Amino acid sequence: EPEVTQTPSHQVTQMGQEVILRCVPISNHLYFYWYRQILGQKVEFLVSFYNNEISEKSEIFDDQFSVERPDGSNFTLKIRSTKLEDSAMYFCASSDRDTHFVARYNEQFFGPGTRLTVL
Amino acid sequence: DQQVKQNSPSLSVQEGRISILNCDYTNSMFDYFLWYKKYPAEGPTFLISISSIKDKNEDGRFTVFLNKSAKHLSLHIVPSQPGDSAVYFCAASANTGNQFYFGTGTSLTVIP
Repeated sequence: EPEVTQTPSHQVTQMGQEVILRCVPISNHLYFYWYRQILGQKVEFLVSFYNNEISEKSEIFDDQFSVERPDGSNFTLKIRSTKLEDSAMYFCASSDRDTHFVARYNEQFFGPGTRLTVL
Repeated sequence: DQQVKQNSPSLSVQEGRISILNCDYTNSMFDYFLWYKKYPAEGPTFLISISSIKDKNEDGRFTVFLNKSAKHLSLHIVPSQPGDSAVYFCAASANTGNQFYFGTGTSLTVIP
């Protein structure tokens, strides 16, 4: 069964450093998402991406964050200058259609996550 | 802002009995609701969903009920099995976009 994969599974970095989290969405999917979950808190939406551009983003997704689809398979999240509060699990997700596509609603498929620890 | 709330952080149920997980929401623009299941060290896995035009959706042992007037949905698992032990997240989507809003999760333990 196709699945979303993410690398690395765990990333440790020093405060102020740049990190890039990588995701390989399901191959025929067109919509891509990043979510994060700070330990003990809810899963929070960061950004959605479609047709090579950001379609939605939350307040969390400030200028320190960027996303890119550098080739036909990868989808990356870059944090330019990490802060202690960026420590969280980061989940990538993908879907084949818009959530509210016509008469069918579509779930998002999540990857296993990358645990980011900022020291 | 807690648009989706799961007020029970944990639930324990005997194997074979019914598990009922609850979720409340505040945004009347939500029209699509999902339940995700999460095991440790894995990402959320889609379980079942319901659109706002329905009040019930059933898939095997899992049934989701939606009460729009009360802005409440619930997930029933019957019979519960030890393999159902996981964290269950309620999520919702508004017709204005694709993002999902998640609750804080309920940790279900099914006791053999």
